[in-house]
This record gives sequence, C-alpha cells and structure tokens, in this order.
Amino acid sequence: EVVMTQSPATLSVSPGERATLSCRASESVSSKLAWYQQKPGQAPRLLIYGASTRATGIPTRFSGSGSGTEFTLTISSLQSEDFAVYFCQQYDNWPPYTFGQGTKLEIK
Amino acid sequence: QVTLRESGPALVKPTQTLTLTCTFSGFSLSTSGMCVSWIRQSPGKALEWLARIDWDGDEYYSTSLATRLTISKDTSKDQVVLTMTNMDPVDTATYYCARVDIRYDSSGRFYVSGYFDYWGQGTLVTVSS
Repeated sequence: EVVMTQSPATLSVSPGERATLSCRASESVSSKLAWYQQKPGQAPRLLIYGASTRATGIPTRFSGSGSGTEFTLTISSLQSEDFAVYFCQQYDNWPPYTFGQGTKLEIK
Repeated sequence: QVTLRESGPALVKPTQTLTLTCTFSGFSLSTSGMCVSWIRQSPGKALEWLARIDWDGDEYYSTSLATRLTISKDTSKDQVVLTMTNMDPVDTATYYCARVDIRYDSSGRFYVSGYFDYWGQGTLVTVSS
C-alpha cells in the first residue's frame, strides 16, 4: 500500500500571502496525484488531478507540481475562502487508493 | 448536473451490518467507464477509500476491509449499495460516495482516472450500543 505523507500538519498564513503544501508518496506514483479541499461540514472538493491540472472551475491561484514521490500544492495569494483542510490522493498503485492525512491551512 | 446522495442509518449497534445507499443523477453506471466509490472519514481524521464498482460490474475493495465489504449497483435505480458487516465503534465515520472521473484520449477512447470529481454530502454513521 502506498503511504501518503503530508506536511506540515498545520500551516498558518496571512491572507494575500503564498501557501505551499507538500505531499510525499512512499513509492513512485508517477503523476497520478490529486489534491482536494475540504471545509468544515462539507465533502472534499477536487482541486488538482494529474499532479498539475486544475479541475473545472478551480481558480488559477491554485497550482500543483511534482512527480514520482514529491508533490506540492501552491496557493499564490490566499483568499479568506481558501482556509480549509487539504488532502492529497494517489491513484497509481491501487487498490487501495490512498490519501494523505491532511494539512490544515489556517489564518495567521 | 452530477449529484450523489448517501442514505442509511445514523446509528448501528456493534456486530450489526451496515447498509448504505448512494443515489446519483447526471450520469449512468451503464455508461462505459463510469465508476462509483465509497470513502469514509473518521471524526477529525483522514479519508479512507473503501470500495469501487464499475460500469461492467467489476468490484474492488480495500485490502484491510475486503472481508467485511460488499458493493453492488442497481443501474435501473441509479443506485450503489455498500454493506459492511460486523460493525465496531472504530467504524464510526462519515461515509461518502463519489464518482470516479472518466477521461477520453485524442482517439475518443475512455480511461478511468482514479480520482474523484463529484462527492455526496456524506452521512454520519455512529456505532454504539
């Protein structure tokens, strides 16, 4: 089973600043990596797939990069609605699909 | 417009069997390439993938929970059902159903992506006596 590890667990950033979230896979997952955003009481929302492709309707301030075992989600200029929990998910080596434990992005 | 909605009991007792239903609209599970998965999230914790069923009836399960899970579909009703046997308090979680995105290459051939483009709102299941 591919273990996904996200860092940091909590990230404190001021509105308007850049946020950089990391996700590491225990083995190569090629570019088969997705990112999701989850707000309290809501289901996850797909942000990025294929490591770097934005899903439909996702603002351009969200960008993804990486391949193999190291991935990054960058939010270029944080808006108030971006403070949430972010999960990465690999879909290369399955079953099972596996998720990271999440990074909570909070207001500094 | 794609929507999914989970339904089932909010409370089950230990050792009982849980049955959850995912009712969806905006797509058909009889369409080649369409797949639906179940995913759960324990309170304050990470997401855990449970099972997937494909348009052709193929089923896939979490390796750690495979002996307890059964996923099935009723294409005529646009529903996917998940059963989980021998429920335990550690199974207390919000259970989501989600559609697996389908992609097409330049030749028009489809392939199943593996990530989840639409999710239901989730249903909280508590296991307690």
